Amino acid sequence: NAGVTQTPKFQVLKTGQSMTLQCAQDMNHNSMYWYRQDPGMGLRLIYYSASEGTTDKGEVPNGYNVSRLNKREFSLRLESAAPSQTSVYFCASSEGQSLTNYGYTFGSGTRLTVV
Amino acid sequence: GENVEQHPSTLSVQEGDSAVIKCTYSDSASNYFPWYKQELGKGPQLIIDIRSNVGEKKDQRIAVTLNKTAKHFSLHITETQPEDSAVYFCAARAFNQAGTALIFGKGTTLSVSS
Repeated sequence: NAGVTQTPKFQVLKTGQSMTLQCAQDMNHNSMYWYRQDPGMGLRLIYYSASEGTTDKGEVPNGYNVSRLNKREFSLRLESAAPSQTSVYFCASSEGQSLTNYGYTFGSGTRLTVV
Repeated sequence: GENVEQHPSTLSVQEGDSAVIKCTYSDSASNYFPWYKQELGKGPQLIIDIRSNVGEKKDQRIAVTLNKTAKHFSLHITETQPEDSAVYFCAARAFNQAGTALIFGKGTTLSVSS
């Protein structure tokens, strides 16, 4: 049982390049989330998808786009990477939005460096 | 929107001592408060959570308390062990029109020395 799988694990980009971070879960969860983690800043919400077909902005959405491709997959795209987007990116999922099924499962992260 | 403050940012204790991490939140509508532990190079893992209709919850050496009136909650670890060394995050469930998501504190790095 893989849980939440993120690819790639590491990536180096040049300023201005684009890339897509992939996330897939095999737990039949309805909700998925993208966070970034920076030293001293904790985990900040970028975007989330409460259910298949819906997405919404979090705390720090600028410079990112997302796609909920299907129930399993939620991708994060950087159209024109900037050094300020150097970070560790975590994807998470939860069964749903009600309190009875709200626990998050996190992936192992993607470490992105923009030079 | 929801804002979560966490203190201290670093905490060093001797093995066997207790450790306490405190968080405050701003949105009185928040009703779910989990704590996550993150080990080096890994994603955060849920260690305990509490809902707004409960004041305290325990799981072996770990306990969480919630004061809804004051809008703060705390993590208590007793009889600390070296394997408790990690970064700990508190979070609160935030609401908007599209749904809910967790807003995290900035984390506490706990070091337990033997």
